[in-house]
Amino acid sequence: EAGVAQSPRYKIIEKRQSVAFWCNPISGHATLYWYQQILGQGPKLLIQFQNNGVVDDSQLPKDRFSAERLKGVDSTLKIQPAKLEDSAVYLCASSLDVGPSFFGPGTRLTVL
Amino acid sequence: GNSVTQMEGPVTLSEEAFLTINCTYTATGYPSLFWYVQYPGEGLQLLLKATKADDKGSNKGFEATYRKETTSFHLEKGSVQVSDSAVYFCALKGNEKLTFGTGTRLTIIP
Repeated sequence: EAGVAQSPRYKIIEKRQSVAFWCNPISGHATLYWYQQILGQGPKLLIQFQNNGVVDDSQLPKDRFSAERLKGVDSTLKIQPAKLEDSAVYLCASSLDVGPSFFGPGTRLTVL
Repeated sequence: GNSVTQMEGPVTLSEEAFLTINCTYTATGYPSLFWYVQYPGEGLQLLLKATKADDKGSNKGFEATYRKETTSFHLEKGSVQVSDSAVYFCALKGNEKLTFGTGTRLTIIP
């Protein structure tokens, strides 16, 4: 069974630039999550989708972050404009309605 | 809201030592509990899980028991190996939202 796919794996940008990350969840998983993991910390949930609807985006900085999940499968997370403090690993995960979440390899973002 | 408190690291042990990493939680209802592991340079992997009180999750020699009376889910292994060096995250899932602890870095020296 294929796992959660993410791209790119690494991205380096300058502050105020824009960046987008892509995630393809495990086939059949209705729930998709984006997490931000800052070095030395646990993952923090940014947004949770159920199919193509948003379930929880309470910790998403909506002035600069946006995410969509068109057609209830793939998802993109965008940052515009980026700040230095956005440097982190962005993790995508998916799950069935119940049960554990499975994580992709992450995208390591460095903002200079 | 839900929260997870995890034993602070880093933890350094000799090979074949006994390992315990403490984890306690606060949650409403009946969450599922998980341990995830992150090996150097890799993504998060599910290590083990327990979905109800008194359940014991186990994998790769690691065990954790869901203790509702003490709201704990401590991770244990009887004899650690160098290859167990990684960061370990305790997590709970309630209402489909996964909440993580801050992680414990484990280093095993030969």
